[in-house]
Amino acid sequence: SAVISQKPSRDICQRGTSLTIQCQVDSQVTMMFWYRQQPGQSLTLIATANQGSEATYESGFVIDKFPISRPNLTFSTLTVSNMSPEDSSIYLCSVAGLAGDSSFGPGTRLTVL
Amino acid sequence: QKEVEQNSGPLSVPEGAIASLNCTYSDRGSQSFFWYRQYSGKSPELIMSIYSNGDKEDGRFTAQLNKASQYVSLLIRDSQPSDSATYLCAVNDFGNEKLTFGTGTRLTIIP
Repeated sequence: SAVISQKPSRDICQRGTSLTIQCQVDSQVTMMFWYRQQPGQSLTLIATANQGSEATYESGFVIDKFPISRPNLTFSTLTVSNMSPEDSSIYLCSVAGLAGDSSFGPGTRLTVL
Repeated sequence: QKEVEQNSGPLSVPEGAIASLNCTYSDRGSQSFFWYRQYSGKSPELIMSIYSNGDKEDGRFTAQLNKASQYVSLLIRDSQPSDSATYLCAVNDFGNEKLTFGTGTRLTIIP
């Protein structure tokens, strides 16, 4: 399965600022996914990032709040904009496997004060 | 909207016993079913996948699928303290690479 890295691994940010999370995959993949996992909760899909097209956002998530870039087949970024304490979560990048499953990066733990 | 439901637990099982985790899903079009294990502070890791009705065994793990009842389960035999984690059920449709996750069941194995 793909090896996925994320940067930063954690950050503490002030309300109203923005943070960009990077996701790097060791092989070329068509689709990359961004998930959020709030404290004590399961995973919620934010958006699907395809190379060469705009990201597709799930209900409840909008591009202005979570802009995504996908400049090539091995890299994507997710920005959390104008942050509030409610955005404190773990943000996970994932890629689809050949069997329909997903592999996950190590996650970015975000705390917003 | 697709829903995947699990008992949140916590589920406590004595060491050496069988742990049974259950999951139901709402979308009859779901084709692929996965169990992920997530240790505290870590990202989910895939432990089992199942695609057709019946049982699938891999070491101490057995996944069971019943599409008619829209039910998938995970059995862990000879439970070990290292099995203590949150177990997430996930489903997707044929040709759709997006996964829908359940709420997760927190399992604790008691030595």
